[in-house]
Amino acid sequence: GALVYQYPRRTICKSGTSMRMECQAVGFQATSVAWYRQSPQKTFELIALSTVNSAIKYEQNFTQEKFPISHPNLSFSSMTVLNAYLEDRGLYLCGARTENSDYTFGSGTRLLVI
Amino acid sequence: GDQVEQSPSALSLHEGTGSALRCNFTTTMRAVQWFRKNSRGSLINLFYLASGTKENGRLKSAFDSKERYSTLHIRDAQLEDSGTYFCAARRDNNAGAKLTFGGGTRLTVRP
Repeated sequence: GALVYQYPRRTICKSGTSMRMECQAVGFQATSVAWYRQSPQKTFELIALSTVNSAIKYEQNFTQEKFPISHPNLSFSSMTVLNAYLEDRGLYLCGARTENSDYTFGSGTRLLVI
Repeated sequence: GDQVEQSPSALSLHEGTGSALRCNFTTTMRAVQWFRKNSRGSLINLFYLASGTKENGRLKSAFDSKERYSTLHIRDAQLEDSGTYFCAARRDNNAGAKLTFGGGTRLTVRP
């Protein structure tokens, strides 16, 4: 079956430092990878959508300068939170799919900023 | 932009009873997914619908693209059904289609 693994599961970083998180698709080709953030008391906000052979599309309020994403092949993607501050804390979720299929999500990376 | 309005935001059920969650869409959606977030924070995929209804055990989901809504019915609720439920929908089926989440429903099942 289709599985998505995310790591680390949980991480703590000091304010102003950066944190890289990874997403691995197993059992299918991840032609699209979406990165979401769930901040405390909020729903899942889309950060950016990466489609192989297309430019990564960032949503309003999220930028490549702050959340650079790499999607080098059909099984892997990574995202870095640069200069993390308190407002960046939350659960970062990676979802992957092939065209015409539903999304499969990982368990998320929970980021705490101190 | 696309909006997904999910209700209720919180729901309390006694064991053995049932209820329905609903998501309304501000635009025509092509497909919807329902998830349950478990105690470990994982999003468990419950249903994927492009139309019609699907049933799995005590859960049943319906999606009406034209009327712009989807529902998730829970019957004979059990303690382990507690958790936060999310719907998420997308407008397209192409590779660049994004999934928009509802605000979630926090379900508590009591003995």
